[in-house]
Amino acid sequence: AQSVTQPDIHITVSEGASLELRCNYSYGATPYLFWYVQSPGQGLQLLLKYFSGDTLVQGIKGFEAEFKRSQSSFNLRKPSVHWSDAAEYFCAVGEETRGNEKLTFGTGTRLTIIP
Amino acid sequence: NAGVTQTPKFQVLKTGQSMTLQCAQDMNHEYMSWYRQDPGMGLRLIHYSVGAGITDQGEVPNGYNVSRSTTEDFPLRLLSAAPSQTSVYFCASSGGPGTQYFGPGTRLTVL
Repeated sequence: AQSVTQPDIHITVSEGASLELRCNYSYGATPYLFWYVQSPGQGLQLLLKYFSGDTLVQGIKGFEAEFKRSQSSFNLRKPSVHWSDAAEYFCAVGEETRGNEKLTFGTGTRLTIIP
Repeated sequence: NAGVTQTPKFQVLKTGQSMTLQCAQDMNHEYMSWYRQDPGMGLRLIHYSVGAGITDQGEVPNGYNVSRSTTEDFPLRLLSAAPSQTSVYFCASSGGPGTQYFGPGTRLTVL
C-alpha cells in the first residue's frame, strides 16, 4: 500500500528566508505526487504536481518541488517566504484509479512565519 | 460555476443520530470522493466514486454509507453517529489525473 511521511510536524521560518518541507513516499510504481496547502478554516488548494518528465516541478505562489526517485522524496521549496505562506502543507501520493487517482496524504507540516 | 459545494458547514449531533453530508459539483466530473481530516492524521479517504452508480471503499469506510445516483451529487451518510466520527469532512471531485478540487469542508461534532 502507498504511504507518505512528512517528518516535520511544525516548522518556523523567518519572513524572507528560504523554506524546504520534506516528504517521503512509498509506492510500487511511478508515483503521482502532489503538494497541497490549507489555510486555517479553508479547504485544500493544489500547489503543484508531478506525474512524469522533468523532476523539478514549478507550482503556484513561487513554490517548486523536486522528485528524487533514489531517495523516494518529493520535497517542497521556496526561496523566500512571505507572511501569507503561513498555513498547513500536505504531501500526497496518488494511485491511478480509472483515469483519476486516489490520494494518500501525509500528516501535514504546519508552517509558521515570524517577522 | 460554483465548483464543489458542501452543506452544512457546521453540524452538531448526538450519539446515535443519523445525518447526511451533502456534496455537489457542477464541473461534470466523474470522480468524486470523501475524506475526513483529524488533527495529526492528515486526510484519509472514506469512500469514492468513479461515476454514477459506482462507489467503492477507501481507507476508513466503517460507519459511513454513500451512493451516487447522479454525476453532480455524492452524499455521505452517517447512520448512527459516534464521537469517533467528530472530524472535518472534505468532498472532492476530479475530471482527470491531477485535477482534484476540494470543497470547503463540513465540521462535524458528535456529542
